[in-house]
Amino acid sequence: AQSVTQPDIHITVSEGASLELRCNYSYGATPYLFWYVQSPGQGLQLLLKYFSGDTLVQGIKGFEAEFKRSQSSFNLRKPSVHWSDAAEYFCAVDSNYQLIWGAGTKLIIKP
Amino acid sequence: GAGVSQSPSNKVTEKGKDVELRCDPISGHTALYWYRQSLGQGLEFLIYFQGNSAPDKSGLPSDRFSAERTGGSVSTLTIQRTQQEDSAVYLCASSATGSRPSSPLHFGNGTRLTVT
Repeated sequence: AQSVTQPDIHITVSEGASLELRCNYSYGATPYLFWYVQSPGQGLQLLLKYFSGDTLVQGIKGFEAEFKRSQSSFNLRKPSVHWSDAAEYFCAVDSNYQLIWGAGTKLIIKP
Repeated sequence: GAGVSQSPSNKVTEKGKDVELRCDPISGHTALYWYRQSLGQGLEFLIYFQGNSAPDKSGLPSDRFSAERTGGSVSTLTIQRTQQEDSAVYLCASSATGSRPSSPLHFGNGTRLTVT
């Protein structure tokens, strides 16, 4: 069965530091992968998606993610985090018409 | 532009009462999804509409849950005889199409349901 694992429930980083959020998936075919962000009091917003082609995808707000088929991973990165990046981040894999979601990683920013 | 609108934003109800949650998708979006998000959990798929039809109702947790969509637009999710375990945030999303690869989902801000 398809599944998505985000091993870190929460991560704390200092403002200006680099960030990597992990996502591993289990999927039989070519996956279509997504990262969404949920800021406090806000709806979920699409950060970026991977469908095919270049395995390094760029998203909004300075985020990028790299698809690694050999590791079944789609980790999210940002070179320098800002306090406004504090939010919960969800990885998801497409399963026909719906998405299978990870449990989320809460990002805490230290001043 | 107008996004996905959900109402009410918060709902507190007594155990055993029925509740109705509303979702107004982005105009022209044919696909509509309901998800449930419990504290510390990922999103749990409930039901998917393509137009007014619901090809997949497999995510509905029990027969107390039902949903409909009319005019290819507004959808309502009804929970009958609410239980405390129904407390969660109910999220609605729409997308331009429901075909693979998935067109991006646009989410509403959700309805926070608390059953006392």
